[in-house]
Amino acid sequence: GDSVTQMEGPVTLSEEAFLTINCTYTATGYPSLFWYVQYPGEGLQLLLKATKADDKGSNKGFEATYRKETTSFHLEKGSVQVSDSAVYFCALSVNSGYSTLTFGKGTMLLVSP
Amino acid sequence: DGGITQSPKYLFRKEGQNVTLSCEQNLNHDAMYWYRQDPGQGLRLIYYSQIVNDFQKGDIAEGYSVSREKKESFPLTVTSAQKNPTAFYLCASRTSGGAQETQYFGPGTRLLVL
Repeated sequence: GDSVTQMEGPVTLSEEAFLTINCTYTATGYPSLFWYVQYPGEGLQLLLKATKADDKGSNKGFEATYRKETTSFHLEKGSVQVSDSAVYFCALSVNSGYSTLTFGKGTMLLVSP
Repeated sequence: DGGITQSPKYLFRKEGQNVTLSCEQNLNHDAMYWYRQDPGQGLRLIYYSQIVNDFQKGDIAEGYSVSREKKESFPLTVTSAQKNPTAFYLCASRTSGGAQETQYFGPGTRLLVL
């Protein structure tokens, strides 16, 4: 079946540090890939997405590139802020007609001043 | 403003009691979903509905029921058969359009057992 694997957290960084959160996937077919962010006590917000190989999704300084050859979709940001502290979820959706999402377990990011 | 609303924000259930979580969207989305989130876990799919009057079980449907009588509404009932209901419940709806399909989430309901 389809699955998503994320690096375990928490990831702890100082403000302005470089961020990478690893995400790899297995899927039948050609998935779309997503990063969602969850702030404490809130629902999930779509951060960025990519729908085909070599696409780069980007938003709010975050970016991720869909790498079919390595089945990866790593999230990066060049300079994190305290306000980026949250849980980040990688997910995939196979466009099979009913389009359910398969999520990784999430990675908590803690950024200190 | 268009969006997804969930109510209540917190819900308490007594042993043996059924409770219903509300989810409403005004985004004109056809598809709606319910997920359960446990601490340190990803989201797991409970039920989903592609269209009014139709819904399918997800990965963990036992102990839950849903209805989809209106396009805007997809309530979830947590029945007494669900032995471990304490969790954060998230509702989502989906745009349509092939590769551009994206799910958008509500703010969630936290269910606690008394």
